[in-house]
Amino acid sequence: GDSVTQMEGPVTLSEEAFLTINCTYTATGYPSLFWYVQYPGEGLQLLLKATKADDKGSNKGFEATYRKETTSFHLEKGSVQVSDSAVYFCALSASGSRLTFGEGTQLTVNP
Amino acid sequence: DAGVIQSPRHEVTEMGQEVTLRCKPISGHNSLFWYRQTMMRGLELLIYFNNNVPIDDSGMPEDRFSAKMPNASFSTLKIQPSEPRDSAVYFCASRGLSSYEQYFGPGTRLTVT
Repeated sequence: GDSVTQMEGPVTLSEEAFLTINCTYTATGYPSLFWYVQYPGEGLQLLLKATKADDKGSNKGFEATYRKETTSFHLEKGSVQVSDSAVYFCALSASGSRLTFGEGTQLTVNP
Repeated sequence: DAGVIQSPRHEVTEMGQEVTLRCKPISGHNSLFWYRQTMMRGLELLIYFNNNVPIDDSGMPEDRFSAKMPNASFSTLKIQPSEPRDSAVYFCASRGLSSYEQYFGPGTRLTVT
């Protein structure tokens, strides 16, 4: 079945550091890939998406590139801020209906 | 737009009691999803509806759980009887036709003592 594997957390960084959160997936066909973010006490929000190979999703300084050859969709940001502290979820949709989520990665950014 | 609305935001109940969680999806959205989030198991899809019809309920843990969507603007998730292991945050999400994005509600934090 479909699955998503994220790097283990938690991740703690200083402000302005470079961020990478690894995500790999297993799916049949050509899934769409997503990063969702969950701030404390809130529901998940879509951060960015990519629907086909080599697409780059970007939003709020975050980027992720759909790499079919490595079945990966790593999240990156060049300079994190304290306000980026949250839980980040990688997800895929292979059928166009349900989402399959990774385990989530807790990010804490210290001033 | 008010977004996905869930009620209550917090629920504390005793083991054996019936619990009903409510969700109002975004107007015009035709798909609705119920998720459960725990530290141990992460985010799990319980059930989802398309056009008010349950499509996949394979994630519903057991017969104590049931979900309904009587119309396009309302859904319920019921647990009867509740158990301490049902303690979790329950999220509702909705999605529009031909859209990839699911919009999540703020969640209901359920504590069963």
